[in-house]
Amino acid sequence: DGGITQSPKYLFRKEGQNVTLSCEQNLNHDAMYWYRQDPGQGLRLIYYSQIVNDFQKGDIAEGYSVSREKKESFPLTVTSAQKNPTAFYLCASSIGAGGRGNQPQHFGDGTRLSIL
Amino acid sequence: DAKTTQPNSMESNEEEPVHLPCNHSTISGTDYIHWYRQLPSQGPEYVIHGLTSNVNNRMASLAIAEDRKSSTLILHRATLRDAAVYYCILSHNNNDMRFGAGTRLTVKP
Repeated sequence: DGGITQSPKYLFRKEGQNVTLSCEQNLNHDAMYWYRQDPGQGLRLIYYSQIVNDFQKGDIAEGYSVSREKKESFPLTVTSAQKNPTAFYLCASSIGAGGRGNQPQHFGDGTRLSIL
Repeated sequence: DAKTTQPNSMESNEEEPVHLPCNHSTISGTDYIHWYRQLPSQGPEYVIHGLTSNVNNRMASLAIAEDRKSSTLILHRATLRDAAVYYCILSHNNNDMRFGAGTRLTVKP
């Protein structure tokens, strides 16, 4: 079945450490997105990518970095500069970005990051 | 950015219809109305979207007011598996989906 796979499901980070969250999709979608969700709140956009080798900052990009070397993959690195990284991280994809706003996003099941 | 307003929570009885409201008085002519739902510890799931006309699919119906300043997601027969947080979102270019706090739906047996 086509879908989005996020790994790991749970991740623990030590102070001052960078960690990378994996997101892979086999839907042949051009656009991919990373969101952060804090308890009881909605999702906030971190980064998005419309095409391979291109990505744009979202609303809360500080302390995060991404790469898009392959269409299928959009890993997110939470750097030590992110002072409050404990959250639920969600990856999504859509057929394309931009356009007319009529394309649904498909989400993975998330990675829960905690600080040790 | 156009914003949406939803009730924090709603309750429904199993096998009864549920009408989830959303107000978006500042909607622009190019904004699509999307609905997603999220179960605990899972990613959001797409439910339905529309622009001006009412829409139906296997999961739900979307009723859009004539002036487009409000919409209603209709679950025709609620089941226990429909208990989730429901998000109403406006989007005009696919990069601008902003998920608010949503409506937490509780379904009582």
